[in-house]
Amino acid sequence: QLQLQESGPGLVKPSETLSLTCIVSGGSISSSSYYWGWIRQPPGKGLEWIGSIYYFGSTYYNPSLKSRVTILIDTSKNQFSLKLSSVTAADTAVYYCVRGGIDYYGSGSSDWFDPWGQGTLVTVSS
Amino acid sequence: SSELTQDPAVSVALGRTVRITCQGDSLRSYYASWYQRKPGQAPVLVIYGKNNRPSGIPDRFSGSSSGNTASLTITGAQAEDEADYYCNSRDSSGNHLVFGGGTKLTVL
Repeated sequence: QLQLQESGPGLVKPSETLSLTCIVSGGSISSSSYYWGWIRQPPGKGLEWIGSIYYFGSTYYNPSLKSRVTILIDTSKNQFSLKLSSVTAADTAVYYCVRGGIDYYGSGSSDWFDPWGQGTLVTVSS
Repeated sequence: SSELTQDPAVSVALGRTVRITCQGDSLRSYYASWYQRKPGQAPVLVIYGKNNRPSGIPDRFSGSSSGNTASLTITGAQAEDEADYYCNSRDSSGNHLVFGGGTKLTVL
């Protein structure tokens, strides 16, 4: 059974860089059938897609975060990471790592995220 | 602002049927996926694609799509279905993903 686990500091100072790692177990991160991503949820707010990465390195980022986000993949360690620079209090959120997939139909396609990591709360505060 | 619009809150009587909707122009080209989030827990995928349920999701959950609207239907809502529900799809450019604002479902 595939499992994802986020790790990283729970407290980051304003203007510094938030760094998280997602360790994937029970399956290979190098599968061409899936991609990997980060999603966050600020307290009291909804879900926000941060970005996604394929095993061969192609990345896609939320346009509103693109200038500050870097997602990398390390197939040798079966893990991927998130870096978010110049953080402010608005970046305080529960951060989730996910596996993503795409199903294709004649009438369109569907992205989906499953499973999700348990999530890790990152607070930006001095 | 989200390119996918959901009603902030919906309520349903125990055992009745409820439909949660998600509207957006991109839904004319892409199917939505739906996630259930309960307090203190990670979101769970409940519906994706035309009407697919992951293993372990009860068959009272179903999905449909028409025009610019995707719907999640719970037939015979149970107390444990009380949660926040989020839709997700690609944006109009097709290059990025976006979530709806979420719908809080209350089971009365």
